[in-house]
Amino acid sequence: GAGVSQTPSNKVTEKGKYVELRCDPISGHTALYWYRQSLGQGPEFLIYFQGTGAADDSGLPNDRFFAVRPEGSVSTLKIQRTERGDSAVYLCASSEFGRAVNEQFFGPGTRLTVL
Amino acid sequence: KNEVEQSPQNLTAQEGEFITINCSYSVGISALHWLQQHPGGGIVSLFMLSSGKKKHGRLIATINIQEKHSSLHITASHPRDSAVYICAVYNTDKLIFGTGTRLQVFP
Repeated sequence: GAGVSQTPSNKVTEKGKYVELRCDPISGHTALYWYRQSLGQGPEFLIYFQGTGAADDSGLPNDRFFAVRPEGSVSTLKIQRTERGDSAVYLCASSEFGRAVNEQFFGPGTRLTVL
Repeated sequence: KNEVEQSPQNLTAQEGEFITINCSYSVGISALHWLQQHPGGGIVSLFMLSSGKKKHGRLIATINIQEKHSSLHITASHPRDSAVYICAVYNTDKLIFGTGTRLQVFP
């Protein structure tokens, strides 16, 4: 079956611009996670959705970052006024029940470069 | 100090060698993930375990909850095993990741 997909795979933008990154989770997975991975580092948690609501957004670095999941399936991560430090791979993962012991399945990531 | 630490950070091996990657964590967990990441970014789950030992092909993962330590072993390593191996722990509802171990296996 189809795995987690993310679009675009690569995004180059200029400092100060707005970007949207999309995640399509595995069908039927109620939990969706966004992570950010800087070069040479492990992924860092950004936000977790259970259904349509953000159950935990404690990892969002500041108010320029926002994510939505209006119908409980596709999610969009939105970054306003991008900065060079936002350059990273943004990973999305989904899991079936959204509890800690349910395995997460990762998408291929979106590589964001802010010039 | 990171909540999840891996060692070594980098590892090179000759084809056929037995490989061990270690993971130590300092937080309470409900389970631990070993993940593999190839160049280009895609992450694949290898194991999820909360106790004991799991084996899949040439890969073996063990966890000692009392000592807060897990190991990933690769037997008869092969160049296609070259990747970054990441340990991640489930703490409440989110994963906390180690920084990864970069493995290169040479023929």
